[in-house]
Amino acid sequence: DGGITQSPKYLFRKEGQNVTLSCEQNLNHDAMYWYRQDPGQGLRLIYYSQIVNDFQKGDIAEGYSVSREKKESFPLTVTSAQKNPTAFYLCASSIGTSGRQETQYFGPGTRLLVL
Amino acid sequence: GDSVTQMEGPVTLSEEAFLTINCTYTATGYPSLFWYVQYPGEGLQLLLKATKADDKGSNKGFEATYRKETTSFHLEKGSVQVSDSAVYFCALSSSGSARQLTFGSGTQLTVLP
Repeated sequence: DGGITQSPKYLFRKEGQNVTLSCEQNLNHDAMYWYRQDPGQGLRLIYYSQIVNDFQKGDIAEGYSVSREKKESFPLTVTSAQKNPTAFYLCASSIGTSGRQETQYFGPGTRLLVL
Repeated sequence: GDSVTQMEGPVTLSEEAFLTINCTYTATGYPSLFWYVQYPGEGLQLLLKATKADDKGSNKGFEATYRKETTSFHLEKGSVQVSDSAVYFCALSSSGSARQLTFGSGTQLTVLP
């Protein structure tokens, strides 16, 4: 089955610790995205990548970093500089060639909690 | 910049009631419009979309019409079921946003038997 997988489902971070969230897709999509969701709010874009080895900051990139070394993978690192990391993190992908009409497909999410 | 305003929730309805969730937008150019649904503890699923004015998106009994004159994309369903209980997000993708989605804040729907 084609789709997007995210792991782990739950992640706990200690003060001063960097943690990495995994996102893998087997849809052969060029574009991938990371969003943050806080309770009662919409999704906010952290980073996106339109092609391998290239990525762009979204609206709330501070305290986060990404890499895109393979088409299928777009891991997100939450660094110690992110002072309020507790949130639900969603990864998405899209074909990358259809412009504004593209549908983004979402993974099941990772919930990050601070100890 | 682009923005989406959604009807505030939560919304509670009885089974078989009529549903409307309002969505209005501000965007440059000619955006595409989307409704996504999120079930508890899960990611978002595309419910329906419309890519140009007067298009109607539909899926699973839900409908929404792209109204450029009122910059709206209201979600409707004639008869809701308990299984429709979820959070619904309106979103747009505009020509100036490199395929980024701009989301509304979401509307929690609870359907009671």
